[in-house]
Amino acid sequence: AQSVAQPEDQVNVAEGNPLTVKCTYSVSGNPYLFWYVQYPNRGLQFLLKYITGDNLVKGSYGFEAEFNKSQTSFHLKKPSALVSDSALYFCAVRDTYSSASKIIFGSGTRLSIRP
Amino acid sequence: DGGITQSPKYLFRKEGQNVTLSCEQNLNHDAMYWYRQDPGQGLRLIYYSQIVNDFQKGDIAEGYSVSREKKESFPLTVTSAQKNPTAFYLCASSIEAGNYGYTFGSGTRLTVV
Repeated sequence: AQSVAQPEDQVNVAEGNPLTVKCTYSVSGNPYLFWYVQYPNRGLQFLLKYITGDNLVKGSYGFEAEFNKSQTSFHLKKPSALVSDSALYFCAVRDTYSSASKIIFGSGTRLSIRP
Repeated sequence: DGGITQSPKYLFRKEGQNVTLSCEQNLNHDAMYWYRQDPGQGLRLIYYSQIVNDFQKGDIAEGYSVSREKKESFPLTVTSAQKNPTAFYLCASSIEAGNYGYTFGSGTRLTVV
């Protein structure tokens, strides 16, 4: 069975500092990994995905994520946080072992950037 | 522009009423999904459909019903059997095969009055 965990309910960072939002996963086969962002009263917006290839994936709004197979992690990062990055972030995984598998979402991490 | 549209944005339901939430997509996606999100919570899967005229229960299907008569449409009915329906409801769609993620609608906030 596939699963994804976001160990932090909330992450607080000062504007201009680097940020990391953690994500670990468990799948039977190779993973497809995703990060989404949700602003208040809105749907989820796609940020980036890892399918194969380079372990460092670059996405929207200056975000990037590093795939680490040995640690089964896919942490979201940004070198310099902005107040506008404050939102709810979801990590998600899809197991390639089953062609009928659905995407499983983590519980979300609320990112708060203070001025 | 292609996208996925949910309506209405806000919906109020009286006790004992059934209400239907609309979800329409023009992305030519095969699969569609309904999620429920409670304050401070993650996403919980209600129903999903991988093809027209077929749908499967998710993790919290009790008190909900769906139909998939057209590829573009996947309406969700919240029945009177759902005892705590106040939540934010999200619809999503995807190309079923391959390495694609989901495209989400902007959500419907349902409140029981």
